Amino acid sequence: EAGVAQSPRYKIIEKRQSVAFWCNPISGHATLYWYQQILGQGPKLLIQFQNNGVVDDSQLPKDRFSAERLKGVDSTLKIQPAKLEDSAVYLCASSFSGRTNEQFFGPGTRLTVL
Amino acid sequence: GDSVTQMEGPVTLSEEAFLTINCTYTATGYPSLFWYVQYPGEGLQLLLKATKADDKGSNKGFEATYRKETTSFHLEKGSVQVSDSAVYFCARFSGGYNKLIFGAGTRLAVHP
Repeated sequence: EAGVAQSPRYKIIEKRQSVAFWCNPISGHATLYWYQQILGQGPKLLIQFQNNGVVDDSQLPKDRFSAERLKGVDSTLKIQPAKLEDSAVYLCASSFSGRTNEQFFGPGTRLTVL
Repeated sequence: GDSVTQMEGPVTLSEEAFLTINCTYTATGYPSLFWYVQYPGEGLQLLLKATKADDKGSNKGFEATYRKETTSFHLEKGSVQVSDSAVYFCARFSGGYNKLIFGAGTRLAVHP
C-alpha cells in the first residue's frame, strides 16, 4: 500500500515570496491533516479536512496560509507571503476517518525562509 | 487547553541500557495516547498506542502503560539498540475530531 506522498521535499524561498505544498493521502482515507513542525518542537495541527470539508482550522494563520482539498483527495497548502518564522517542516497525514483511526504521516516538506 | 509534556533530551545511552522517556498529559477526558517515532530523514511513525486507562501499548520491545491516576504514559524499553536512535514524540487525541496534540519530542542517541 502506497503511503502519504508529499512534494516538494525541500524548498528555500525569500521572505514575502509565495510557496505551495502538495499532499496525496493514502487511497480511501477520508481525513487529511496538515501539521507544522518547527525545529525542536512537536508537530502542531494547522488544518484538518474530512473529505473536502474543513473540520478544524483554528490554528491556521488565515491572513497568510490557505489550504484546499480538491475532490476530497489531494490537498495543497499555500503560504503567501512567507515570513521568516514560517521556516519549518510541513507534514501531511491521513486517516481512514477522523475518529479513533491511526494517522499515517508523509515524509514532510522542509521550508526555509531567508 | 489540552497539552502533553515530555522529558527534555537528548537522552544518551549505551547499547543494551534501559530506557525511560517520561510523558504526562492534561487530564481532559480520557483521551487515546500515542508514542510516535521519527527516524533520521524519515516521517513520523506510530510506535504504540493505548486507548483507555491501564491499557499497555507495546511494539518492537517498547512499552507504555496508560496511568490515569498520574496522567502519565511513560515509554520504556529494557535493552536499547543503536537502531533505536531517533526522536520520540508523545501525543494525545483532543477534540471531537481527534486531532493529535504532540509533546516537544525527546531525542534518543544510543552508542555501541
